[in-house]
Amino acid sequence: KAGVTQTPRYLIKTRGQQVTLSCSPISGHRSVSWYQQTPGQGLQFLFEYFSETQRNKGNFPGRFSGRQFSNSRSEMNVSTLELGDSALYLCASSLGGPNTGELFFGEGSRLTVL
Amino acid sequence: KNEVEQSPQNLTAQEGEFITINCSYSVGISALHWLQQHPGGGIVSLFMLSSGKKKHGRLIATINIQEKHSSLHITASHPRDSAVYICAASKAMYSGGGADGLTFGKGTHLIIQP
Repeated sequence: KAGVTQTPRYLIKTRGQQVTLSCSPISGHRSVSWYQQTPGQGLQFLFEYFSETQRNKGNFPGRFSGRQFSNSRSEMNVSTLELGDSALYLCASSLGGPNTGELFFGEGSRLTVL
Repeated sequence: KNEVEQSPQNLTAQEGEFITINCSYSVGISALHWLQQHPGGGIVSLFMLSSGKKKHGRLIATINIQEKHSSLHITASHPRDSAVYICAASKAMYSGGGADGLTFGKGTHLIIQP
């Protein structure tokens, strides 16, 4: 079956702009979680959605938001981009969430903020 | 102090050696994940553990809940095992609140030389 698909794979934005990233989970998976990876901070949890509801949120400012649609596809948005938002953004899908099941990661969206 | 600590940070070994990567955590968890990340960013889930031991091919993962410690072992290591190995704790659900997302270790950079 198809894996987790993230789009776009690469993008370049300038400070102050906003960006929307998309994640299509494995069919049947209801949990989608998002992560930020930077060389300095490593991997950090952003938020998790399950059946269109945000279940958990990491310690990120309100500029970072997300949502999940009825088909389990998820989007995350970052508004008013800062240089420090340059990172690899990964999503992962699972049947029940990180507490209960294996995670399947997408290839990531690499965001560069100039 | 980080809630999830990994050691060693870097490890270089010869092909065929037995490899051990350690992960200690300071929070109550419901599950612990071992992840593998190759250059280029893609992350693969190796194991999800809540107790005991799991084996998949040449990989073995163990967890000791009382000691809050997990290990990942690689037997008969091979250059294709060269990657970053990351442990991630899924915090326990407590009554009255939802579960937190994953908390990651900083990763172990493993290089297996032929």
